[in-house]
Amino acid sequence: DTGVSQDPRHKITKRGQNVTFRCDPISEHNRLYWYRQTLGQGPEFLTYFQNEAQLEKSRLLSDRFSAERPKGSFSTLEIQRTEQGDSAMYLCASSLGVRSSVEQYFGPGTRLTVT
Amino acid sequence: AQSVTQLDSHVSVSEGTPVLLRCNYSSSYSPSLFWYVQHPNKGLQLLLKYTSAATLVKGINGFEAEFKKSETSFHLTKPSAHMSDAAEYFCVVSDYNFNKFYFGSGTKLNVKP
Repeated sequence: DTGVSQDPRHKITKRGQNVTFRCDPISEHNRLYWYRQTLGQGPEFLTYFQNEAQLEKSRLLSDRFSAERPKGSFSTLEIQRTEQGDSAMYLCASSLGVRSSVEQYFGPGTRLTVT
Repeated sequence: AQSVTQLDSHVSVSEGTPVLLRCNYSSSYSPSLFWYVQHPNKGLQLLLKYTSAATLVKGINGFEAEFKKSETSFHLTKPSAHMSDAAEYFCVVSDYNFNKFYFGSGTKLNVKP
């Protein structure tokens, strides 16, 4: 399977714990995006990488959130001191980033439940 | 700033009848627009995209959308609904450099037998 993969698929954690999610994009894609989706809503943009550079961050991304993409391959999203409001589906997407192929390909998501 | 408004949160049609899912956009420049579908417990899948080429865009599974600048609309249509079309549909607009994508709140399509 050469699609976008995310790990884990589900994560249950207690409030105050730190969690880290991983995203592996399609191999030739240089752009990688993170989104958060809560029940009944559309995905909300969190952050964007071009290769290893983080070029955009949403104001939704508080200081407790950090994302990395070392070497421009996989990416990690860490949430420190989780809160119940962080419960959501975290989606990763990748794209080629050329005008003829700007569409994003999404992974299956990581569902986070904070108890 | 860019945004999209999906005018209906729920649409219900009978199998074999036409589908119309409405989307209006706001953009300070000529936008790029997309429709994605999300089936229950499945990932988001691209249906079609508009990036300033032909205004009538054909996508997968018989869906199409027409970009109408004068109406700032990008409605999704299908001539004949199938049971397998039941899902949630998202209209999306990107910023100029495709660095950020803005999703609508979604329209849940129900298809009755």
